[in-house]
Amino acid sequence: NAGVMQNPRHLVRRRGQEARLRCSPMKGHSHVYWYRQLPEEGLKFMVYLQKENIIDESGMPKERFSAEFPKEGPSILRIQQVVRGDSAAYFCASSPQDRNYEQYFGPGTRLTVT
Amino acid sequence: KNQVEQSPQSLIILEGKNCTLQCNYTVSPFSNLRWYKQDTGRGPVSLTIMTFSENTKSNGRYTATLDADTKQSSLHITASQLSDSASYICVAQTGFQKLVFGTGTRLLVSP
Repeated sequence: NAGVMQNPRHLVRRRGQEARLRCSPMKGHSHVYWYRQLPEEGLKFMVYLQKENIIDESGMPKERFSAEFPKEGPSILRIQQVVRGDSAAYFCASSPQDRNYEQYFGPGTRLTVT
Repeated sequence: KNQVEQSPQSLIILEGKNCTLQCNYTVSPFSNLRWYKQDTGRGPVSLTIMTFSENTKSNGRYTATLDADTKQSSLHITASQLSDSASYICVAQTGFQKLVFGTGTRLLVSP
């Protein structure tokens, strides 16, 4: 049973471009969470999704950021018109049921905006 | 305001020694307390999860304690190994299912 997979592991974008981060949850997990970790800071919750539904997006900036978890395929975190402040590690986690269950984290995508 | 504070920020110990990491949390309502280990460049890996009714939980050489009255938790590492070098993150879950992360304690085990 493969763990949570994220790709790409490293992504470099110029200011103004779009960044698209992918997350494939563990097999059998239908709940996905996205977190952002700025350098020297703790993880911050961004969004919680179930298949085809956004359950909680209270941690996600209102502009430029969006997330989806379609019926088929990975979850996608999309950042439009990236700025330098978006440079961070973005982690995805999955769980078999809701947030009261253990979350399994992927290796992260390190986004660098130049 | 929901908050998790950890101490120390960083710690260096000699291989084979024990150490204890501290966590104070202020979340309401409280659901459970988690400890994660995060190696450099990797995602966090769960060590323990404790509900308010549990005082202690062990996972190999890692033992976590929880005092729900004082809202404090600790992670004790016994007989440290070089592979224990990592950041240890304390996470409190609220009754509304949100996870509040501490900034971590960076542990370096020196040979």
